[in-house]
Amino acid sequence: DADVTQTPRNRITKTGKRIMLECSQTKGHDRMYWYRQDPGLGLRLIYYSFDVKDINKGEISDGYSVSRQAQAKFSLSLESAIPNQTALYFCATSAAGTGELFFGEGSRLTVL
Amino acid sequence: DAKTTQPTSMDCAEGRAANLPCNHSTISGNEYVYWYRQIHSQGPQYIIHGLKNNETNEMASLIITEDRKSSTLILPHATLRDTAVYYCIVRLPLRGNEKLTFGTGTRLTIIP
Repeated sequence: DADVTQTPRNRITKTGKRIMLECSQTKGHDRMYWYRQDPGLGLRLIYYSFDVKDINKGEISDGYSVSRQAQAKFSLSLESAIPNQTALYFCATSAAGTGELFFGEGSRLTVL
Repeated sequence: DAKTTQPTSMDCAEGRAANLPCNHSTISGNEYVYWYRQIHSQGPQYIIHGLKNNETNEMASLIITEDRKSSTLILPHATLRDTAVYYCIVRLPLRGNEKLTFGTGTRLTIIP
């Protein structure tokens, strides 16, 4: 089983719908991250969490919210999806103090 | 964290050494150089990191110039499975600074 699991792997939805992407990890890491990747571009950080009580905005947090339900779970929500949120979303984890991130397999979201 | 500059794309013949350059001329004395790769649309994978000395692991070697303003990732015997986008990232190793900023990287294509 993967150390970092994302669900769903693929989702097609309509404009205005609420969407939740879930991430769970078995690494025991404190740090969790949500990144977004658009075609031909690098990854951009949406939100990150250093522990259950610590949530921080990344460079592109507008239109997104997150919830850290437990050390192992970090969810990303789109309250009202719009077409330009169509992208590949990655969850990642890391241990405190390290720069080695472990990524999930990605969630491909299409907003029509 | 310092900015990095990488070529957009490179080709390498299968079986040859692939040498991927990265410029980080504004790197500070305590910043580390990290390399990740992303195969197709999978989550990025950590490869190697270093501060001053050359580093080697089972995946690659990292050569950092004496002035630390540039580095080269070396894949000694490239295979088709090494075709990927390679990201060079500079990071200050502080607790609380674990998040990484990914640029657009170098798209490496291994030619049969």
